[in-house]
This record gives sequence, C-alpha cells and structure tokens, in this order.
Amino acid sequence: GESVGLHLPTLSVQEGDNSIINCAYSNSASDYFIWYKQESGKGPQFIIDIRSNMDKRQGQRVTVLLNKTVKHLSLQIAATQPGDSAVYFCAETGGSYIPTFGRGTSLIVHP
Amino acid sequence: GAVVSQHPSWVICKSGTSVKIECRSLDFQATTMFWYRQFPKQSLMLMATSNEGSKATYEQGVEKDKFLINHASLTLSTLTVTSAHPEDSSFYICSVGEGEAFFGQGTRLTVV
Repeated sequence: GESVGLHLPTLSVQEGDNSIINCAYSNSASDYFIWYKQESGKGPQFIIDIRSNMDKRQGQRVTVLLNKTVKHLSLQIAATQPGDSAVYFCAETGGSYIPTFGRGTSLIVHP
Repeated sequence: GAVVSQHPSWVICKSGTSVKIECRSLDFQATTMFWYRQFPKQSLMLMATSNEGSKATYEQGVEKDKFLINHASLTLSTLTVTSAHPEDSSFYICSVGEGEAFFGQGTRLTVV
C-alpha cells in the first residue's frame, strides 16, 4: 500500500489469503535487499533477502520479487496466518552494507 | 544467525537523569554494532555505528554528547542517553552484522 505522511500503510487480509506488500527504494546503487518482520514491542526479524543479480527468490510461504528497472520490491506471503500480523520493513544496502529501512507496512490478518 | 540481547527491555526514568542500554552479541564477535531509534508507527532510523576499541560514528543530526556509545569488547556495546528528556522517549534497537543484520529485542525508554 502507498501512503502519505508518517503513518504506516496498512494491509488487511483474511486468514488464508495471499498477501502482497510493496516497497519502493530510491538508491539505484543498492545491491542487497532484505525483508524484516517486526512484531509489536520487538526488534525486527529477518524474513528473506535477495541480491540485485536476481529478480525472484522463494522461501517457506514467502517470495520476494525485485524489479530494478522501477526500483520496486515486493514480499508475497502465501496462505497468510494470524501469526503473520506485524509490521514489515524492506531494507536496502549499497556500498556501506548498513541497511536503510523503508517506511514499513502494517499487516493485519483477520481470522 | 547471530543472537543479540538487549537490556533492559524497558525503562522509565525521570527527566534529567541518564540511562544506559546494553547490547550483547552472544555468539558473534562484532567489531561493529549499530544503534537505531524508532518512534511509534515509524521506521528504524540509524543513530550511530559503534566501533570496538574506537569512537562511534554518528549519523547527521544525532548528538554525540547526548547519546554516548561505548564498545569496549567484541560482544558488548552500550548506549547511554544522558540528561534524558521526554522527547528522547523512544524504542532503541541495536544490531550486529552488515548486510543481513540481526537485531536485539529493543529497549522501550520512557522519560517522565
């Protein structure tokens, strides 16, 4: 989802649906991208990563797609479960290898 | 991946006092650690890079005299918020690793 201002965009889905969370990045020199999941009151947790020489990578129930032409990254979660409810951040790294975080998307899964 | 432990998980302090937050890398020797601050419903903002045995590198706009960082060993970095004010209330998170970073559980600081 897109948003303006400082508020987190929110994606609401029903349990069992597939979720797609989008992220736009700005640094064309970024060569490594990571998706993190952050549950309330906790630190971010690594989900999946992808390098710039790839356009798709799959994990368990998750897929990351990278479109370098338009500088866009997406995270697809299959068969979304209530335990997937969290804030999801994309992060990019370039030469410094220190991740720069995107705004984040709040995923709410309704049972 | 690396296991990172922060302490305390939450702290409440009075305005004008100082608070120390510890970040320990339990199974990984980290020459660098990273400190982030996160305000409610916002993203993580890098505050500084903690360098073992040398001075920390602060991001633009972060006051080094207010946020004191010490990285005395390969497994411990500390962040001290000096003369805390209510506007310093935030969620502070440390990480180790470059590229794929591993994060601590965060410290919720509330200054009253």
